[in-house]
Formats: sequence, C-alpha cells, structure tokens
Amino acid sequence: KQEVTQIPAALSVPEGENLVLNCSFTDSAIYNLQWFRQDPGKGLTSLLLIQSSQREQTSGRLNASLDKSSGRSTLYIAASQPGDSATYLCAVLNFGNEKLTFGTGTRLTIIP
Amino acid sequence: NAGVTQTPKFQVLKTGQSMTLQCAQDMNHEYMSWYRQDPGMGLRLIHYSVGAGITDQGEVPNGYNVSRSTTEDFPLRLLSAAPSQTSVYFCASSYQVDNYEQYFGPGTRLTVT
Repeated sequence: KQEVTQIPAALSVPEGENLVLNCSFTDSAIYNLQWFRQDPGKGLTSLLLIQSSQREQTSGRLNASLDKSSGRSTLYIAASQPGDSATYLCAVLNFGNEKLTFGTGTRLTIIP
Repeated sequence: NAGVTQTPKFQVLKTGQSMTLQCAQDMNHEYMSWYRQDPGMGLRLIHYSVGAGITDQGEVPNGYNVSRSTTEDFPLRLLSAAPSQTSVYFCASSYQVDNYEQYFGPGTRLTVT
C-alpha cells in the first residue's frame, strides 16, 4: 500500500527566504506526483504536476523535483512572501489503479 | 468555465438522515472522485469514476453511494448519516486519470449530530 509522508508538519520562515518542502513515498511505481496548495477553509489548488518520466517542473517561484528511485520529491519556493502561507500537500498516482494517495501536508507560515 | 462546483457549502444532519452532496464539472473531464478530509488523516478517497456509467470504490467507501449517469455530474449519497461522517468533502476531476492535473471543488463541510 502506498504511503506518502510530509515532514515537517509545520514550518515558519521569515519573508524573503528560500525554502524546501519534502514529500516521500514508499512505492516508486507511480504515474505522477502532484503538489497542491490549500488555504484555510478552501479547496485544493494544483501547483505543479510531475510525470514519472520527468525530473522537475517549474512555475514562477516554484520548482518541484522528483526522484522516483528514492521515493522523494521536493517543492522549492524562492523568495517567500506572506501570501505563500498555506498548507502544501503532495499526492502520488500509482500504476495499476486510479487512485491518488495524499500526504498529510506541511503548514507553511511566512513571517512578514 | 466554472470548474468544479459543489453544493451545499455547509450542511448539518441528524444521525440516520440521508442526503446527497452534489458535484458538477464543465470541463468535459472523464475522471471524477470524492475525498473526505479529516484532521490528522489527510485526504482519503471515497469513490471514483473513470467515465459515465463506471464507478469504483476508494479507500473509505462504507456508508456512501455514487452514480455517474452523465460526464458532468457525480453525486455522493450518504445513506444513513453517522457522526463518524462529520468531515469536509471534496470533489475532484481530471481529463483522464493518468498524467493530468486534478482540479478540486471548494468543499462541503458536513456535521452529523
């Protein structure tokens, strides 16, 4: 059974710093990995989708990497801003079924 | 496009009552799914559908029914509500299941007393 872990559960950093969020998964037979952002009381917003054949994806200040063999992904946020404060979730889609498995998220607070 | 819409936003039920959570998308997506989100448990898949007329169970299907009579709609039915079903429910869709982004609705917050 796929298990997805995100450590730490919470992170606070001063505005302007670069930061890295971590995601690890136990089964490397995946179609893709997706990073989401969730603001309090809201739904999930897709940030980046990395397919299994890719090593990284970039969107603006965000860069996500994928190392399938080691079961790890990172989300790099450059020049953090207070508006980046949210919970960040990663999810993997496994080969052989049509189900996303989510991590429990990292709650990020950017301190002005 | 409205994207993925869910109604209602909030609902309070008494134990034993039934209700249907509505989900619709206007993006012609084949894949739709329902999740529940609970503190400390993350998002867990309830049911999913890879196309009209096709549904399957996820990780926590007990107490819930779904149907997919059209591509656009994927309602979730609670048969006899229990306090353990108090949660936030999210509907999601994607063009196809593999290698396409998942789009989420705004959620329905359900309380069962």
